[in-house]
Parts: sequence; C-alpha cells; structure tokens
Amino acid sequence: GDKVKQSPSALSLQEGTNSALRCNFSIAATTVQWFLQNPRGSLMNLFYLVPGTKENGRLKSAFDSKESYSTLHIRDAQLEDSGTYFCAAEAGASSGQKLVFGQGTILKVYL
Amino acid sequence: NAGVIQTPRHKVTGKGQEATLWCEPISGHSAVFWYRQTIVQGLEFLTYFRNQAPIDDSGMPKERFSAQMPNQSHSTLKIQSTQPQDSAVYLCASSLTGPQDTQYFGPGTRLLVL
Repeated sequence: GDKVKQSPSALSLQEGTNSALRCNFSIAATTVQWFLQNPRGSLMNLFYLVPGTKENGRLKSAFDSKESYSTLHIRDAQLEDSGTYFCAAEAGASSGQKLVFGQGTILKVYL
Repeated sequence: NAGVIQTPRHKVTGKGQEATLWCEPISGHSAVFWYRQTIVQGLEFLTYFRNQAPIDDSGMPKERFSAQMPNQSHSTLKIQSTQPQDSAVYLCASSLTGPQDTQYFGPGTRLLVL
C-alpha cells in the first residue's frame, strides 16, 4: 500500500481563496518535506519539518508524528501557486533514511 | 549559488544504447541523491551518496543501472542497454549532510528511449 498518501489528488482554487493539502503516513515518519513542482518540472523545497509547524508567507505547514500526518495550508491562493505539491517523509532506519514521496496534489489556481 | 546542475536536460536514445546522466551538487553539500519520476510510479528514490561514498542503493534496478560519485563536485547515473521502460525524468538532489536535511533538486534530465 501507499506509505505516503496525499489528498486530494487534484484541486482547483479561485484566486484569493484558502485551502489545505494533507499527507497521511503509514511509516513512522521522523521528518517531512513539502515540495512544489512547477509546470516546467522544477521541484522547489517549501518546508522541512520535524514535528511542529512552520510558516512562510501565505504557506503554513504542520507535522504531527504521533498521528502520522502533515498538512500544507495555502492562504490567499495566487496564480503562481499552481503546480504539483509533493510531500515526502523520512522515517529513519525503517525507511533506510531515504525520502518516500506521495503521489502529489495537482493544484490549479484560476481567476 | 547556481543550485543543483543536471546535464543533459533532454536525452533521446535508441533501445540498447547507453545513457549517462550528470549531476553537479550544490557546493558544500556532502549528500547527493538520485530519483526517477514517471507518471505511473511517481517519484522514486534510486540511490544516494554521502561524502562520495554510496550509502543506499536500494532503489536502483539490479541490472543495467549504476551510479558513481568520483569527486565531490559531480555524480553520474549510467544506464546500460536502455529499454523503453527506462524513459523517465531523472532527478538529482543534494543536501548539506544527508536525508534528514532539506533536499534541493536539479531541473532533471528527461530521458526518452525509443
């Protein structure tokens, strides 16, 4: 089964609205990273998280290791936020200390 | 800081040919990772190096795929006798010390095997 499950798989947002993406883990994640892949294919790191929360501009992310999930909140969505969002978990020795990626959430922001 | 550099950006090769992909990590980063991305499988870990030493190659196909890191400024992924199912975007990433650090990705090499 999927070790890192992302939801929703796709999302359309009107510019200026808010939404949240979620990752559920079936591995004992110790750290989580969120990435945005733009339409050209470049992967940009958004957050690196140990359990807790971080905020950067209109983005806020949380990671709860006990409940095995992470969220990415987007506030006041803009057109340039469009792309595919990936979360990835690292689970120490149980995952070989490598990042395990979710399948991604495709976000389209429209006017 | 130029970020992670990957060359070539695109490669088309015939079935049975060899393909070599290059990655230059961010200067000062000691960990280098290789991933493969396809529509069907998504982003898959292949292998990683720390201080040029191979640490984990559990994601590498057992045959035809090999990776090296001869010096701290570049790594190569070589695919021998390429097959159409090898077509994918191959992504390289680097981080300061290892998997538990923020990973920075290169633009990828899009490989098409005809």
